Amino acid sequence: GENVEQHPSTLSVQEGDSAVIKCTYSDSASNYFPWYKQELGKGPQLIIDIRSNVGEKKDQRIAVTLNKTAKHFSLHITETQPEDSAVYFCAATNSNSGYALNFGKGTSLLVTP
Amino acid sequence: EPEVTQTPSHQVTQMGQEVILRCVPISNHLYFYWYRQILGQKVEFLVSFYNNEISEKSEIFDDQFSVERPDGSNFTLKIRSTKLEDSAMYFCASSEAPGHYNSPLHFGNGTRLTVT
Repeated sequence: GENVEQHPSTLSVQEGDSAVIKCTYSDSASNYFPWYKQELGKGPQLIIDIRSNVGEKKDQRIAVTLNKTAKHFSLHITETQPEDSAVYFCAATNSNSGYALNFGKGTSLLVTP
Repeated sequence: EPEVTQTPSHQVTQMGQEVILRCVPISNHLYFYWYRQILGQKVEFLVSFYNNEISEKSEIFDDQFSVERPDGSNFTLKIRSTKLEDSAMYFCASSEAPGHYNSPLHFGNGTRLTVT
């Protein structure tokens, strides 16, 4: 089955700096890669996603890149703000065969003022 | 914005007891899911449900687990005889369709299950 590895497990940046979280996946059939943000006491919330037919997607301060050959994808947050502090999860799935998301272990991001 | 709602937010039960976790998916969604997150670990897929039947399940979802859509709005997860290792946060999610470009999963805030 699919195995998703995520690094780092914790990340601390100063407000205004950029944050990068990286994930690798094992199943070459995976074609959908969402990123979720989980705030304390809440469920994961989708922040951005990318499909295997594109290499990069951007939404304001958030961008995701995908390298299918290397089987890795990354989340980039620019101009970080304290409210970006949360746990971020990457996930992968083959959306043609179902919708079981395989999650990484999460990255706890702390943005300090 | 429509939300997935879960009740209760916290459930404490004794080992061996049955528990039912409840979810109200987003009203126009057709696909429903349960995931769980053991403290400090990754979110794990349990089961997906469509058209009143299970469409996919993981190895975790054994005979102790069952799901049901008893009416037009609720989606439930039942654990027949809870074990200590069932203690986790259980998340319900829903989507309009699987694999659809504009149909991501929407998660509820979870039910924290504590088995003593």
